[in-house]
Amino acid sequence: SYELTQPPSVSVSPGQTARITCSGDALPKQYAHWYQQKPGQAPVLVIYKDSERPSGIPERFSGSSSGTTVTLTISGVQAEDEADYYCQSTDSSGFYVFGTGTKVTVL
Amino acid sequence: EVQLVESGGGLVQPGGSLRLSCAASGFTFSSYWMHWVRQAPGKGLVWVSHMNFDGSTTSYADSVKGRFTISRDNAKNTLYLQMNSLTAEDTAVYYCAREYNWKDGLDYWGQGTLVTVSS
Repeated sequence: SYELTQPPSVSVSPGQTARITCSGDALPKQYAHWYQQKPGQAPVLVIYKDSERPSGIPERFSGSSSGTTVTLTISGVQAEDEADYYCQSTDSSGFYVFGTGTKVTVL
Repeated sequence: EVQLVESGGGLVQPGGSLRLSCAASGFTFSSYWMHWVRQAPGKGLVWVSHMNFDGSTTSYADSVKGRFTISRDNAKNTLYLQMNSLTAEDTAVYYCAREYNWKDGLDYWGQGTLVTVSS
């Protein structure tokens, strides 16, 4: 089955930049989206279609794509950004798949 | 205000059935694809199923195909998930989420309902 691979964890100091990668063979042909999930809460869409930011999402969140890897970048990380982050895309058959998830820790 | 409210979760014995509901408000429900996504305790997100805006297209993860059935009632603004032949591996929080167009991203999620399969 299709997999989207993320690093298990990323640690960053306040004010620094966090980069979270997501790798998958179908990513050159399929959009990726990113979700933030804080403990006990539902996921929130922070980036859609590789690099679009929904209204209400801070500008410090951005997304990019290159080949089989998409990247979520959080510039000027704040304490409130500590959360789990998941990428999501579709496989060649159109089935939805979530990444393995990355825990972002703000030091 | 967009709201998605799941209900119907609870404790069920292995082999049993449960029907989840997701009540939608604050948007034109009949214009959106709808999804079910689950999350086992301490684990990641797993897509379960989706249905297009008029119910003519459905899709299921392999792990639930043949056991779960997604449906919707656009007159009642409600999404359903009928779950049969439940096993311990189905224990999870089940979220409903909406998507305006196929592959656009799930832009609103409910708070989830917990399903526990145990004897």
